Amino acid sequence: AQSVTQLGSHVSVSEGALVLLRCNYSSSVPPYLFWYVQYPNQGLQLLLKYTSAATLVKGINGFEAEFKKSETSFHLTKPSAHMSDAAEYFCAVSDRRGGSNYKLTFGKGTLLTVNP
Amino acid sequence: NAGVTQTPKFQVLKTGQSMTLQCAQDMNHEYMSWYRQDPGMGLRLIHYSVGAGITDQGEVPNGYNVSRSTTEDFPLRLLSAAPSQTSVYFCASSYWGETEAFFGQGTRLTVV
Repeated sequence: AQSVTQLGSHVSVSEGALVLLRCNYSSSVPPYLFWYVQYPNQGLQLLLKYTSAATLVKGINGFEAEFKKSETSFHLTKPSAHMSDAAEYFCAVSDRRGGSNYKLTFGKGTLLTVNP
Repeated sequence: NAGVTQTPKFQVLKTGQSMTLQCAQDMNHEYMSWYRQDPGMGLRLIHYSVGAGITDQGEVPNGYNVSRSTTEDFPLRLLSAAPSQTSVYFCASSYWGETEAFFGQGTRLTVV
């Protein structure tokens, strides 16, 4: 069975500081990996995804993530935080066998707060 | 593009009542799924469908029914609502393969 662990349920950074949100996964086969963002009272929006091409993935709003197979990690980073980045972030994994992107396993989420 | 549309956005039910949460997508996606989101729990898969007429259970299916009579629609039925079903429900759809899932705006359900 797959699982996702997001370290830190709440991360607080200052505006302009580095954002680092951690995600580790457990899977018997190399999975597809996703980061989603949820703004208050909104649905989930895809930030970026890893599907087996480059291990460094660039997404929207200046975010990027690096797939490290040896560490089973897919941490999300952004060099300089903006106030508009305040949201909840979810890491998710799906089994690449059979294209099962309808069966996402999510982490518990990390709430990012950006202080002025 | 409407994408994935969920109705209603908010609902309050009394314990024991039944209701249907609606989900429709206009992207001709084969796959559709229902998740519930609870504080500190992330999103958990309730039911999913890989095509019209085909549904299966996810991680937390008890108390919910689904059907998929058309590609576009995937309603979620609560047969007898319980306070433990108070949650935010999200519907998602996707193509086969390595593409991402697209999510609706959610339905916030309170069972009293």
